[in-house]
Amino acid sequence: DTEVTQTPKHLVMGMTNKKSLKCEQHMGHRAMYWYKQKAKKPPELMFVYSYEKLSINESVPSRFSPECPNSSLLNLHLHALQPEDSALYLCASSREPRGTQYFGPGTRLLVL
Amino acid sequence: GQSLEQPSEVTAVEGAIVQINCTYQTSGFYGLSWYQQHDGGAPTFLSYNALDGLEETGRFSSFLSRSDSYGYLLLQELQMKDSASYFCAVSDGSYSGAGSYQLTFGKGTKLSVIP
Repeated sequence: DTEVTQTPKHLVMGMTNKKSLKCEQHMGHRAMYWYKQKAKKPPELMFVYSYEKLSINESVPSRFSPECPNSSLLNLHLHALQPEDSALYLCASSREPRGTQYFGPGTRLLVL
Repeated sequence: GQSLEQPSEVTAVEGAIVQINCTYQTSGFYGLSWYQQHDGGAPTFLSYNALDGLEETGRFSSFLSRSDSYGYLLLQELQMKDSASYFCAVSDGSYSGAGSYQLTFGKGTKLSVIP
């Protein structure tokens, strides 16, 4: 089983809203990731959690705030986003930090 | 830093074989992965090479030559459903913080399979 789930599938929000994206895996993976993907571009790494600790933050603006409540869950809190933040947000997990990454279906975000 | 080069587009005929090449430059190399992504979908893991040689998974094979910083994905018996974008990705061998390794993606190759 290599399933990573993400909710919601689609999200439309205004620039003053606060929303959260959720990611869950029950494979016992110890590393989880957030990526941002614009149309016709590769995924860009945003954050890495390794053993529930934030280990990589790729200079992401503070309007994106990650949270890892436990080893199975990963959240991305969104606040005061800009229209250019509209993209597909992908969560991934791997058994170990250097392991193969498996992606969830993504949340398609539109910021108006 | 890392950089990966792969062709932007490839067109092939249904039933044929196609090879998608990937060259990379990286300060630390741990492995080369391949992902498939259909329009509107999420990347799906296809194959991984950490050592030189060929890995075969059904109709898909992946090859790695670490001395040449080169790999390829081979798709056989092409089907229409194979039309998608294919990304090579390098696992960076650098170690950061609590222990993590970054995955850097190439720009992707859009494969079109025609009848």
